[in-house]
Amino acid sequence: NAGVTQTPKFQVLKTGQSMTLQCAQDMNHNSMYWYRQDPGMGLRLIYYSASEGTTDKGEVPNGYNVSRLNKREFSLRLESAAPSQTSVYFCASIQRSGNTIYFGEGSWLTVV
Amino acid sequence: AQSVTQLGSHVSVSEGALVLLRCNYSSSVPPYLFWYVQYPNQGLQLLLKYTSAATLVKGINGFEAEFKKSETSFHLTKPSAHMSDAAEYFCAVSDGSSNTGKLIFGQGTTLQVKP
Repeated sequence: NAGVTQTPKFQVLKTGQSMTLQCAQDMNHNSMYWYRQDPGMGLRLIYYSASEGTTDKGEVPNGYNVSRLNKREFSLRLESAAPSQTSVYFCASIQRSGNTIYFGEGSWLTVV
Repeated sequence: AQSVTQLGSHVSVSEGALVLLRCNYSSSVPPYLFWYVQYPNQGLQLLLKYTSAATLVKGINGFEAEFKKSETSFHLTKPSAHMSDAAEYFCAVSDGSSNTGKLIFGQGTTLQVKP
């Protein structure tokens, strides 16, 4: 089972460039999430999608947009990258409330 | 609002010694609590979770955690550390009254295991 797959794994961007992080899950999960991880701060929720067709802001949504393309895929877009967005990004999914949350392997993004 | 505090950003133990990683939470509703482990350059792996069934929760790799409501704590322990336990550990609480995937994470504790 692939589980939660994120691409790319590593990316270097210049300030002002745009890019999209892709996330796909093959577990037929309803809800999907994007987190960012910064040293000494744990993981913080950027955006989430409780079900196909819905998206909501998390704790740190500024500078990001998301698209729940279908039930499998949930993408995160940086329209104009800033050095403050240098981070490790994790996608996660869950079937429904009470179930186990599954995380992807992470995407390391550096903005120079 | 829920919050999580992990006491100690770095913990160092000798191989074979007791591992104790501390986590305190704040929640206005009965919490769902989690411990995750992250090895270098890898994703998060669930160690164990508390979902109100039993206060002592056993997880993978010999880890366990005890939910203490009176102390609002969910400390992670392992009787005997192994070199392979060296990693970063995160405590998390579900944001809300149910486990929806919206998690509030602590800042993490790096466990060093000395030979």
